[in-house]
Amino acid sequence: EVQLLESGGGLVQPGGSLRLSCAASGFTFSSYTMSWVRQAPGKGLEWVSALTGSGYSTYYADSVKGRFTISRDNSKNTLYLQMNSLRAEDTAVYYCAKDSGVEAYFQNWGQGTLVTVSS
Amino acid sequence: DIQMTQSPSTLSASVGDRVTITCRASQSIYSYLAWYQQKPGKAPNLLIYKASSLESGVPSRFSGSGSGTEFTLTITSLQPDDFATYYCRHYNSYSGTFGQGTKVEIK
Repeated sequence: EVQLLESGGGLVQPGGSLRLSCAASGFTFSSYTMSWVRQAPGKGLEWVSALTGSGYSTYYADSVKGRFTISRDNSKNTLYLQMNSLRAEDTAVYYCAKDSGVEAYFQNWGQGTLVTVSS
Repeated sequence: DIQMTQSPSTLSASVGDRVTITCRASQSIYSYLAWYQQKPGKAPNLLIYKASSLESGVPSRFSGSGSGTEFTLTITSLQPDDFATYYCRHYNSYSGTFGQGTKVEIK
């Protein structure tokens, strides 16, 4: 059974940094592109970033480009999101998501971790 | 960037109703469209991929259709468990955007 477990969320001041983790199990982690998707309180879903299974190709939404860095450790089956220069508008639940392996739709999601950016 | 527009934003319906949600893309996305259901406080759940393929384990009352720029999600005979918010998303690229969501409420 595929399991994705996010951690690392919390309260951080504007301009601060936070690193999210997503621990994966139940599948061959290195074979799948992984993404981060966020949802601000009461709002819709926003794709944030994606990273191919090899770790060679990264993709970012314009809203986070230059501030967030996605990475993975395939030996630890873990996906990361390093978030720097955080803003109030980054406040959201952050989900990690696994693609299907064949096409780039999100087949599995974690339960999410809440990031609150506030002074 | 490709924009996805869902309609309606909110839909009031009764148990047993047939419900249709529309998603329009600003340019052709072929059949690279997925539909997700999200309940409050929970992660989204995949319903449909490739515009019309039903994800394993999803009830057959859910169906998807369309290609190019116009797509629909249909729920035949709405059940109490189906009251939720539904999102479309194109995956023509890794950076595929979501529609703004359609909340299905109890009438």
